Amino acid sequence: NAGVTQTPKFQVLKTGQSMTLQCAQDMNHNSMYWYRQDPGMGLRLIYYSASEGTTDKGEVPNGYNVSRLNKREFSLRLESAAPSQTSVYFCASSPTSVFNYGYTFGSGTRLTVV
Amino acid sequence: GQQLNQSPQSMFIQEGEDVSMNCTSSSIFNTWLWYKQDPGEGPVLLIALYKAGELTSNGRLTAQFGITRKDSFLNISASIPSDVGIYFCAGQAIQGAQKLVFGQGTRLTINP
Repeated sequence: NAGVTQTPKFQVLKTGQSMTLQCAQDMNHNSMYWYRQDPGMGLRLIYYSASEGTTDKGEVPNGYNVSRLNKREFSLRLESAAPSQTSVYFCASSPTSVFNYGYTFGSGTRLTVV
Repeated sequence: GQQLNQSPQSMFIQEGEDVSMNCTSSSIFNTWLWYKQDPGEGPVLLIALYKAGELTSNGRLTAQFGITRKDSFLNISASIPSDVGIYFCAGQAIQGAQKLVFGQGTRLTINP
């Protein structure tokens, strides 16, 4: 019963490098989300996918792209990493985005851009 | 965008004390949720509230959905060391996007 699995757990990138953060859920949830967590700022939504085949921008989408590969997987890509993208990234899923029963979060990816 | 103001930002208490934290919004929400985050982990749902005025308990935790629909409160009674962590409120607005908005978090530290 894994829930939401994120890989990798830690990553260090040089400025300008690219990488993809992976997320998979095994709860048959329709909706998936990517958040970033910075000290004193709580969790801010980057992108979300209300259902398979759809993606939408959140509060802080600049510098990121996403792919909802199938119902289980939702990846976040940094095309050209910047130090301002140093953060902890969380993927989450929920049964539906229409009525909120609460999200299930992964354990996070700690990204450092130098 | 929508803003949630959570207070206090941090708390330092003695084991056994009660804890209170709250969250306010400039807009009306139809759902309030409270999460706890342990170090190195993602947030875990503690309590969900769906009706104005609703008071819900989960063990030593009690949360309330404010009558105005613009605030929520979380109380922890008789704190224990495992209560240490960051507590987040989250809300979902009636109109507009269905996604959750999170508060800045309250970091709870307990002295044994």
